[in-house]
Amino acid sequence: EVVLTQSPATLSLSPGERATLSCRASHSVSASLSWYQQKTGQPPRLLISGASKRATGTPARFSGSGSGTDFTLTISGLEPEDFAVYYCQQRSSWPITFGQGTRLEIK
Amino acid sequence: DGQLVESGGDLVQSGGSLRVSCMGSGVTISSQWMNWVRQAPGKGLEWVASINEDGSEKYYGDSVKGRFTISRDNGKNSLYLEMNSLRVEETAVYYCAGMEFILWGQGTLVTVSS
Repeated sequence: EVVLTQSPATLSLSPGERATLSCRASHSVSASLSWYQQKTGQPPRLLISGASKRATGTPARFSGSGSGTDFTLTISGLEPEDFAVYYCQQRSSWPITFGQGTRLEIK
Repeated sequence: DGQLVESGGDLVQSGGSLRVSCMGSGVTISSQWMNWVRQAPGKGLEWVASINEDGSEKYYGDSVKGRFTISRDNGKNSLYLEMNSLRVEETAVYYCAGMEFILWGQGTLVTVSS
């Protein structure tokens, strides 16, 4: 099983700042890494797939990078609506696994 | 826009069984891999099971293997999750998600009491 470890667990930033979220895989997942945003009471929303491809409707301030075992989600210029929990997910091999999440909170 | 609508969540006793459903509305699910993901209160996301377009391939998380069964009825544009021997720790919102996890339902709450 591929274990995904996200860091930090919580990130406190102000609107307008840049957020950098990390996801590390225990084994290589090539580029089969996705990022999701989840707000309280809502289902997750796909932001990025294939490590760097923005999903339809994902604003350009969201960008993904990485391959193999180390991945990054960057949000340049935080907007108030960006404060939420973010999860990474791998679908390179079964079982599909998620990271434990990073909570992005307003400082 | 199409949506996925889950139903069937309920309060069930530990050791009991329940079937939750997911129906496509304005979206045809028969041509898609479909998935179940759950989220315990205040916790993260856990993948539960996936099924291919015609139901010939099924995959399960280790924690549910042998107790849960994913199935589909493409004629009814529906996906199902049959859950047996339910445990208290499986109290969660159960989401269905479509191909590539792009489209998600709003979830249905399954509560397992002791």
